[in-house]
Amino acid sequence: DVKVTQSSRYLVKRTGEKVFLECVQDMDHENMFWYRQDPGLGLRLIYFSYDVKMKEKGDIPEGYSVSREKKERFSLILESASTNQTSMYLCASVHSKTGEAFFGQGTRLTVV
Amino acid sequence: GDSVTQMEGPVTLSEEAFLTINCTYTATGYPSLFWYVQYPGEGLQLLLKATKADDKGSNKGFEATYRKETTSFHLEKGSVQVSDSAVYFCALSETGTYKYIFGTGTRLKVLA
Repeated sequence: DVKVTQSSRYLVKRTGEKVFLECVQDMDHENMFWYRQDPGLGLRLIYFSYDVKMKEKGDIPEGYSVSREKKERFSLILESASTNQTSMYLCASVHSKTGEAFFGQGTRLTVV
Repeated sequence: GDSVTQMEGPVTLSEEAFLTINCTYTATGYPSLFWYVQYPGEGLQLLLKATKADDKGSNKGFEATYRKETTSFHLEKGSVQVSDSAVYFCALSETGTYKYIFGTGTRLKVLA
C-alpha cells in the first residue's frame, strides 16, 4: 500500500518558534508538494520540489522554507511561527506518469 | 492564471438521493481534471480523473465528464450513501507540471 507519512497529526507551537514538518513517501516519486488548507480557501501551494536539493516557490511561500536532502523526504520549515500560520498542512507526492497525487494525513498546526 | 470554481456547500441530502457538485475551470493549456475526496480527519484521496476532452472518469458510483466546451467537470452520483459524507475537491493539473490548483471544496452530508 503506497504511503505518504507526515510526522505529526497535531502540533502546538509558540509564536516565534522554528517549526519543522516532515513528510516521507515510499513510492520513489520525484515530485513532492506542501499545501496548506484553510476553510473557504481550499488548498494553497506553499513550495514544491521536482528532485533532490531542488525547490520552487508556490503561491504563498512567505514565512516558509523547505529542505529536500533525500528523494523520499520533503520538509517544511516555519522559520519563526506566527499565529496566521495556524492551519492544516498537507504533503503530497505526484506520480510522474499518471499525474495522480498521493496525500499524507495532514498536520494540524496551532500557533499560540 | 488557471483557476477552479466549485459550488459552495454544505450540501445536505437524504440517503439514495441524486448528487451533483458543479465544477468549472479556467486554464490556458490542456489540463487534466480530478476529483479528490477528504473524509474526516484524513488527507485527500483520488476519487476519479479525466485527462482529455470528453473523457469520463468514474469510481465507486461517482462520475464526471471533461467538457471542454463548457469548461466543466461536474461530479454526479445516482444514489448517495451515508458513507459518502465528506469534503469533495475539484482540481486541475497542467500536463508536465504536476502542480494542482484546487477548488475550495464542497462539504457533503448524507442523512440516513
